[in-house]
Amino acid sequence: GAVVSQHPSRVICKSGTSVKIECRSLDFQATTMFWYRQFPKQSLMLMATSNEGSKATYEQGVEKDKFLINHASLTLSTLTVTSAHPEDSSFYICSAREQSSTDTQYFGPGTRLTVL
Amino acid sequence: AQKVTQAQTEISVVEKEDVTLDCVYETRDTTYYLFWYKQPPSGELVFLIRRNSFDEQNEISGRYSWNFQKSTSSFNFTITASQVVDSAVYFCALSAPIYNQGGKLIFGQGTELSVKP
Repeated sequence: GAVVSQHPSRVICKSGTSVKIECRSLDFQATTMFWYRQFPKQSLMLMATSNEGSKATYEQGVEKDKFLINHASLTLSTLTVTSAHPEDSSFYICSAREQSSTDTQYFGPGTRLTVL
Repeated sequence: AQKVTQAQTEISVVEKEDVTLDCVYETRDTTYYLFWYKQPPSGELVFLIRRNSFDEQNEISGRYSWNFQKSTSSFNFTITASQVVDSAVYFCALSAPIYNQGGKLIFGQGTELSVKP
């Protein structure tokens, strides 16, 4: 149980294009999902908290117009990197919090974005 | 402010050795949760354990064991008889309850464990 999927796993795009990443909780409902960014050899940096049916809460320094988040259902959140540039190249990981007594976050396999 | 420190950036051991990964945390909350996650080369974070601040019992799961000591604000992770498959980056993380900051996870910098045959 508690499986989270992400799609795509890897994407290469040209500078200026937009990229959408999907995060799905496969066997549980997640009213809250989180989006992280991880650079090589570094820790995870929380970008935003996504709540089903409401606007995402962005961390300080994260451009909400650049990183659009939509949490349309209890099992799906999407992150769209708009007008991507090479500096947006990174590993993006989502997590979904299981609404149970454990409140544990389960992570997706990540999406490696390369912007040329 | 909340903070997690994993002072060991990299550890290298030979198979079958025991290894302990250190984690020290800072928080002003009386209720909080501590986690360990494993990130193998594939990149996916694998949940290992969750502990709440009121449960200081040590836990053992197979070759893994965790030592939680509130007095020293530490939550250390020991792998007994390490195996090559244990090679990964291990993250310690801290969170407050959902009603406090939405239960955001604060991660340490991670410890890269390399187990050589």
